[in-house]
Amino acid sequence: GNSVTQMEGPVTLSEEAFLTINCTYTATGYPSLFWYVQYPGEGLQLLLKATKADDKGSNKGFEATYRKETTSFHLEKGSVQVSDSAVYFCALHLQGAQKLVFGQGTRLTINP
Amino acid sequence: DAGITQSPRHKVTETGTPVTLRCHQTENHRYMYWYRQDPGHGLRLIHYSYGVKDTDKGEVSDGYSVSRSKTEDFLLTLESATSSQTSVYFCAISGGGLAGNEQFFGPGTRLTVL
Repeated sequence: GNSVTQMEGPVTLSEEAFLTINCTYTATGYPSLFWYVQYPGEGLQLLLKATKADDKGSNKGFEATYRKETTSFHLEKGSVQVSDSAVYFCALHLQGAQKLVFGQGTRLTINP
Repeated sequence: DAGITQSPRHKVTETGTPVTLRCHQTENHRYMYWYRQDPGHGLRLIHYSYGVKDTDKGEVSDGYSVSRSKTEDFLLTLESATSSQTSVYFCAISGGGLAGNEQFFGPGTRLTVL
């Protein structure tokens, strides 16, 4: 079946540290891939996306590259800030299905 | 921000009572979704709609029903609430096709069933 696996949290880093949150997927066909972010008390917001292999999505200093050979879409940021503290969700969308499959989420805490 | 509102934002109810949550959009998007979010489970799809009066079940649909009589409104009903339905409920919308496959989420409704 189709599934998304994220690295287990919680993840705690110091400000200005380098961030990687791993995401791998299993899918039939060629999915689009997304990262969503959820700040405390809010709904999910789209952070970035990639629709085909080797695409790189980027936004707010975050990046993720669609790697078909390793079925991965790892989220990275070179220097995190306290305001990046949130829960991050990786998700895939299959053509024609019109549904997203979410990973379980990774809680990130950045300490000053 | 996508125009999605949810009502109520918070509700406390008792076991066995019916509850209806409302999602309203101003984007004229075709697809609408209801999810629940629980610790350790991420987001799980309850029901979704692909047009007016067209709905289908998600992975955790037992105990829930939905209705969509207008493009802009998608209602989630718990016919007889149970404590296991205590959760945060999110509505999402998507244009689909050329409009894109990403979903846009509402602010959520926190439901407590005593």
